[in-house]
Amino acid sequence: NAGVTQTPKFQVLKTGQSMTLQCAQDMNHEYMSWYRQDPGMGLRLIHYSVGAGITDQGEVPNGYNVSRSTTEDFPLRLLSAAPSQTSVYFCASSYSGNSGSYNEQFFGPGTRLTVL
Amino acid sequence: GENVEQHPSTLSVQEGDSAVIKCTYSDSASNYFPWYKQELGKRPQLIIDIRSNVGEKKDQRIAVTLNKTAKHFSLHITETQPEDSAVYFCAARSYGGSQGNLIFGKGTKLSVKP
Repeated sequence: NAGVTQTPKFQVLKTGQSMTLQCAQDMNHEYMSWYRQDPGMGLRLIHYSVGAGITDQGEVPNGYNVSRSTTEDFPLRLLSAAPSQTSVYFCASSYSGNSGSYNEQFFGPGTRLTVL
Repeated sequence: GENVEQHPSTLSVQEGDSAVIKCTYSDSASNYFPWYKQELGKRPQLIIDIRSNVGEKKDQRIAVTLNKTAKHFSLHITETQPEDSAVYFCAARSYGGSQGNLIFGKGTKLSVKP
């Protein structure tokens, strides 16, 4: 298994540009999520999904969109990039995020995004 | 929603000493508390976790304790080695309206000096 994969590894955007960060997992996990990591701020949840066709907002959703058309893929779209979105983005997945489950959350390798 | 506080933000120890990192959480409904280790430039990886029906869990040199009454949990690393140097994150799984998402602390940068 490849686990959780993310592309690209690095990206530089200009303010106002849009782009999609790709995330895929081959473990048949229902739950997928996106985090951003900034120095001294830990990992903050952007959006998450508990299954295909179901998405919801996390702690810091503004400026980002997601969709979940398949179990495997969970892309994150930046609609109009801003310098404040400069960060490292991690995708993660687990078997389920529902009450009563304690399944390990696996992280992808991350995408380092710079917005000029 | 859930809020997780983590202390200290940086910790420096001599090789062989013990290291303790502490976290507090706000949501009494949280029932799962993992710890992740992140080496420089790499992804976070789970090192140990504890469920709310257990007070302590140990895995070789690593242990985690949970005090549900006080709403705090701690990571203990004994006989530290240089390869333990990394950033450590605690997290709590909150089951409020958020479908069981992990909420992370801000991290502790552990440096182990040879």
